[in-house]
Amino acid sequence: EPEVTQTPSHQVTQMGQEVILRCVPISNHLYFYWYRQILGQKVEFLVSFYNNEISEKSEIFDDQFSVERPDGSNFTLKIRSTKLEDSAMYFCASRGQGATGYTFGSGTRLTVV
Amino acid sequence: AQSVTQPDIHITVSEGASLELRCNYSYGATPYLFWYVQSPGQGLQLLLKYFSGDTLVQGIKGFEAEFKRSQSSFNLRKPSVHWSDAAEYFCAVGTANDYKLSFGAGTTVTVRA
Repeated sequence: EPEVTQTPSHQVTQMGQEVILRCVPISNHLYFYWYRQILGQKVEFLVSFYNNEISEKSEIFDDQFSVERPDGSNFTLKIRSTKLEDSAMYFCASRGQGATGYTFGSGTRLTVV
Repeated sequence: AQSVTQPDIHITVSEGASLELRCNYSYGATPYLFWYVQSPGQGLQLLLKYFSGDTLVQGIKGFEAEFKRSQSSFNLRKPSVHWSDAAEYFCAVGTANDYKLSFGAGTTVTVRA
């Protein structure tokens, strides 16, 4: 069964550092998402991406965040200057037309120290 | 904007007993509804989804859910739980245009022997 792949599975970074979280969506999918889950809390939408541009973003997704699809296969989330409160599990998701095959990756646990 | 309420934060059930997890949603149009399961430190696994058609949806691992428009509910059930069903369960609702998902706060299921 096709999978959404996220790397790394766990990243520890110092406050103020830049991090890039990587995702390889399912190959024929067109719509891409990032969600995050702070420990013990619910999963929250961050951003959706289609046709090489952001479709929608939440209030969490401020100027410190950016997304990119650099090469037609990867989908990345960059946090420019990490804060302690950015510590969370970050999930990538992708889908085809409609909600076909809406699939989440296994997540990247980001720890900011 | 859509939202999801999972009224039960924690449910304890005996192995072999039945399980029902409640989910109520708020959305003005036809909802797209999902149930996910998450084991500690792991990603989100799709149990089942509802888009249209038969309001009783069968999923993986013996789970089913019933969409009741009149009650704005999408409750998850399993006739006989196994110890491996101990996990956190999330209900989510998606919008019809971009399928951005809004998640409930989750219900933690503990299975006692």
